Amino acid sequence: SQQGEEDPQALSIQEGENATMNCSYKTSINNLQWYRQNSGRGLVHLILIRSNEREKHSGRLRVTLDTSKKSSSLLITASRAADTASYFCATMNQGGKLIFGQGTELSVKP
Amino acid sequence: DAGITQSPRYKITETGRQVTLMCHQTWSHSYMFWYRQDLGHGLRLIYYSAAADITDKGEVPDGYVVSRSKTENFPLTLESATRSQTSVYFCASKQNTGELFFGEGSRLTVL
Repeated sequence: SQQGEEDPQALSIQEGENATMNCSYKTSINNLQWYRQNSGRGLVHLILIRSNEREKHSGRLRVTLDTSKKSSSLLITASRAADTASYFCATMNQGGKLIFGQGTELSVKP
Repeated sequence: DAGITQSPRYKITETGRQVTLMCHQTWSHSYMFWYRQDLGHGLRLIYYSAAADITDKGEVPDGYVVSRSKTENFPLTLESATRSQTSVYFCASKQNTGELFFGEGSRLTVL
């Protein structure tokens, strides 16, 4: 079974609003990563947070990690229509294997 | 050009045929991965490789074979394609800081 489970599966918001996506996982991790995928394209890395970190920022992105709850969240602030994409969390174990969740489809309406 | 390239980008084949998907990276990253992406399943790991001549199974390895004779190449072979292997296949390599770089995908249809 997949390691990461994302919630919600789909999210539709208006431009300017914030978007929050959640990810839960099952086993211990070395790090957790978030990726973005535009329709018909490969995945693009957004941000990596290590197991000993609790929060990380990159531009309009904010990622939190709670290892006690085995969960993470991705917040996109002041969303834009160009943020429309699928977003995936992925967990990496000590052996270097990266397992993905099923993703959240984000739609940002102008 | 630097990066990770997959070929072919599109392939139609018939049940029972052998198909090889190629993946080439120019960074000399040690780790490489093959994933398949299907509606309702997200990305599932097929095989990965920590270095040349070292490969390991992922979540869904059955029906697939990989090899890694050179660091830069990581081909994925379907020895006898089945309809259930119709999918989009993504190759990726991992840089030392942990993030993966993905190719643009190979869309395979098995008739």
